Amino acid sequence: GENVEQHPSTLSVQEGDSAVIKCTYSDSASNYFPWYKQELGKRPQLIIDIRSNVGEKKDQRIAVTLNKTAKHFSLHITETQPEDSAVYFCAASTGAGSYQLTFGKGTKLSVIP
Amino acid sequence: SAVISQKPSRDICQRGTSLTIQCQVDSQVTMMFWYRQQPGQSLTLIATANQGSEATYESGFVIDKFPISRPNLTFSTLTVSNMSPEDSSIYLCSVTIGGGNEKLFFGSGTQLSVL
Repeated sequence: GENVEQHPSTLSVQEGDSAVIKCTYSDSASNYFPWYKQELGKRPQLIIDIRSNVGEKKDQRIAVTLNKTAKHFSLHITETQPEDSAVYFCAASTGAGSYQLTFGKGTKLSVIP
Repeated sequence: SAVISQKPSRDICQRGTSLTIQCQVDSQVTMMFWYRQQPGQSLTLIATANQGSEATYESGFVIDKFPISRPNLTFSTLTVSNMSPEDSSIYLCSVTIGGGNEKLFFGSGTQLSVL
């Protein structure tokens, strides 16, 4: 089955700096890659996603890049703010009509004011 | 997206007992899933709740321990049976929405503590 590796497990950045979280996947058939943000005590929230026919996607301060050849994808957050502090999870799915996602282990991002 | 509500939001249970978690969606959805998130850990898929048929369980999860019902397109239940402290987790239902461009959204979650 699919295996998703996520790095780093923890990340601290100064407010205003950029943060990058990287994930690799094992199943070359995977074609859908969402990112979730989970604040303490809350449900995971979808913040951005990318499908395998696209190499990059941006939404304001957040961007995701995908390298299908290398089987890795990354989340980029620019101009970080304290409210960006949370645990971020990447995931991968073959999207074969069911979207059964395999999640990475998560990255705890701390933005220091 | 949709409003995905779970009940209870949290519970403390004694070992050996069972708890049924309800998930209600405010619109009809085809796919519903149940995930488990152990303390400080990632999300693990328990099963796909199939409307009108038996749930499809992932490796490591069995129907006797986690029976699931899906009587219609807006509702599902997950029962955690014969609980032990190792079952202490957050249980999340989730649904896909988007009709051809589906995205996965999570319910409000149920935090279960087993003593």
